[in-house]
Amino acid sequence: GAVVSQHPSRVICKSGTSVKIECRSLDFQATTMFWYRQFPKKSLMLMATSNEGSKATYEQGVEKDKFLINHASLTLSTLTVTSAHPEDSSFYICSVEQGEKLFFGSGTQLSVL
Amino acid sequence: GESVGLHLPTLSVQEGDNSIINCAYSNSASDYFIWYKQESGKGPQFIIDIRSNMDKRQGQRVTVLLNKTVKHLSLQIAATQPGDSAVYFCAENMEAAGNKLTFGGGTRVLVKP
Repeated sequence: GAVVSQHPSRVICKSGTSVKIECRSLDFQATTMFWYRQFPKKSLMLMATSNEGSKATYEQGVEKDKFLINHASLTLSTLTVTSAHPEDSSFYICSVEQGEKLFFGSGTQLSVL
Repeated sequence: GESVGLHLPTLSVQEGDNSIINCAYSNSASDYFIWYKQESGKGPQFIIDIRSNMDKRQGQRVTVLLNKTVKHLSLQIAATQPGDSAVYFCAENMEAAGNKLTFGGGTRVLVKP
């Protein structure tokens, strides 16, 4: 399956700062990537669908100005958490669509102090 | 299994025994199902998938069973090994919805030596 690289794996930031998370498809040109959020001991919740060359599609309840998504190339999508607050602390995971299968990155643990 | 309250249901299995993980899915129109394995601090890893026109599919040491009548999915792991310890999620998809997977609550599998 597709090999997905996500960076950084862990980030700690101060409240009010912005954090960028990168998701790279290493061996596959991905027109569509997905961003998920996962709270401890909980399931994955889809945040948004990242579309190469066009605007991302956000799920209901997800603030698009808070979670900026850029998918400028077929191998890279970025998620920027703007003006982060402690409640944004979570595990963020990206995935790449290959056919009807999804392959996931290793996740980013964000801790906002 | 489905998450109840604040904790994941846990299945404790003796090493070498078979494991059965259950999942009740919600949408009768779902036509594609996937099982993922997630180890602590990592992204989900694809295990096996099944389409709604099948009721059983086998992989290496794993078997997925689908009962559409009662909207039930199960994952059987043969000869469970310590490396199988993880959280397992089922996910459902409806072709008409693209690849926006809906994840179940997850079940933690603990393998006892």
